[in-house]
Amino acid sequence: GQNIDQPTEMTATEGAIVQINCTYQTSGFNGLFWYQQHAGEAPTFLSYNVLDGLEEKGRFSSFLSRSKGYSYLLLKELQMKDSASYLCAVMDSNYQLIWGAGTKLIIKP
Amino acid sequence: GAVVSQHPSRVICKSGTSVKIECRSLDFQATTMFWYRQFPKKSLMLMATSNEGSKATYEQGVEKDKFLINHASLTLSTLTVTSAHPEDSSFYICSARDGGRDYGYTFGSGTRLTVV
Repeated sequence: GQNIDQPTEMTATEGAIVQINCTYQTSGFNGLFWYQQHAGEAPTFLSYNVLDGLEEKGRFSSFLSRSKGYSYLLLKELQMKDSASYLCAVMDSNYQLIWGAGTKLIIKP
Repeated sequence: GAVVSQHPSRVICKSGTSVKIECRSLDFQATTMFWYRQFPKKSLMLMATSNEGSKATYEQGVEKDKFLINHASLTLSTLTVTSAHPEDSSFYICSARDGGRDYGYTFGSGTRLTVV
């Protein structure tokens, strides 16, 4: 079966760095997405990785290792507004998105 | 960038009534629209995939007669929750794929449905 695993909840301090991991087993792979979702709102796109390596975009970076079925989202210089859920999603061979359950990130002052 | 407009953002309805949710792609043609449901503190659950001009494909366990999906044009898809029950209360989100981008998935702003 298809499976996406990510931690349920993480806590970090304002100004610090946090890494949210995601492992996956899917039927085929056509890319991995990270989305941010604030409570009561729809997800917003953060990043897309289809090749191995690190993609940096401002304070956020995303890494992918296809051979290990592994990705992480790295958030630097954390701000209170970064408190949200972070969803990992993989596009399978049918170009359908398989969603992880999301990681709730709590930022403390 | 690509924008999907979803209405209404919040709706409260009585049990037994029907509610229609609309999603419009504003600056691109959405040949495919995905409808998701999300329970509190849970991830997105794909309900159905609709393609313009054809019948929607429903995921296992989703009642097609209860959740009616219409995708009559390249810019509009609707989800109608028929004979709503309190257990249908949830957050419903649409997502459209912008074929002009390799990975163009854009989400609507979501609809919070409360059935009383």
